[in-house]
Amino acid sequence: TQLLEQSPQFLSIQEGENLTVYCNSSSVFSSLQWYRQEPGEGPVLLVTVVTGGEVKKLKRLTFQFGDARKDSSLHITAAQPGDTGLYLCAGPRYGNKLVFGAGTILRVKS
Amino acid sequence: DAGITQSPRHKVTETGTPVTLRCHQTENHRYMYWYRQDPGHGLRLIHYSYGVKDTDKGEVSDGYSVSRSKTEDFLLTLESATSSQTSVYFCAISVGTVTDTQYFGPGTRLTVL
Repeated sequence: TQLLEQSPQFLSIQEGENLTVYCNSSSVFSSLQWYRQEPGEGPVLLVTVVTGGEVKKLKRLTFQFGDARKDSSLHITAAQPGDTGLYLCAGPRYGNKLVFGAGTILRVKS
Repeated sequence: DAGITQSPRHKVTETGTPVTLRCHQTENHRYMYWYRQDPGHGLRLIHYSYGVKDTDKGEVSDGYSVSRSKTEDFLLTLESATSSQTSVYFCAISVGTVTDTQYFGPGTRLTVL
């Protein structure tokens, strides 16, 4: 059982559609990060959310941290083929370590 | 770009042989990490280092050892590779004291036959 559960595991949508990816835990996190990974490359940090209830926007991507700091969501508006990739959430654990969710594979078809 | 390189980028080896993967950074960051990535598991921490000769285990450290004799290099060794260690290995660094924000290298794809 993963400490961070991501859903859905896989999402295939048409260009222009909206989507939401979820990251849930039964534990409280001091912060959560979202990364995006493209095939053959390492994950790249998109955003860090720190405050319960916080909402951050990055162009068409909206990130929210739950009030209780146990969950986060990533919403993409009008998805584009360039959004295709693996989306990972991660949170700090035991000081200097990060724990990752299993990821959501997003495929946006043109 | 956090100046992280990994070598080799691809390797095929046989069961029972030793394998060493290298992570190199150019900016003297204190914290370095080794992860493995497998389908359905995300990234799992193998070992990490918080300074020269200072290392600690992660959640999947069995069968792996690490060494850090210089700030810029963090080596991951599989003493006797097994097929279960076939994976993609990523090195990461964290910048300054913000250890919950990590930057990743390009990865090494290791196949153990």
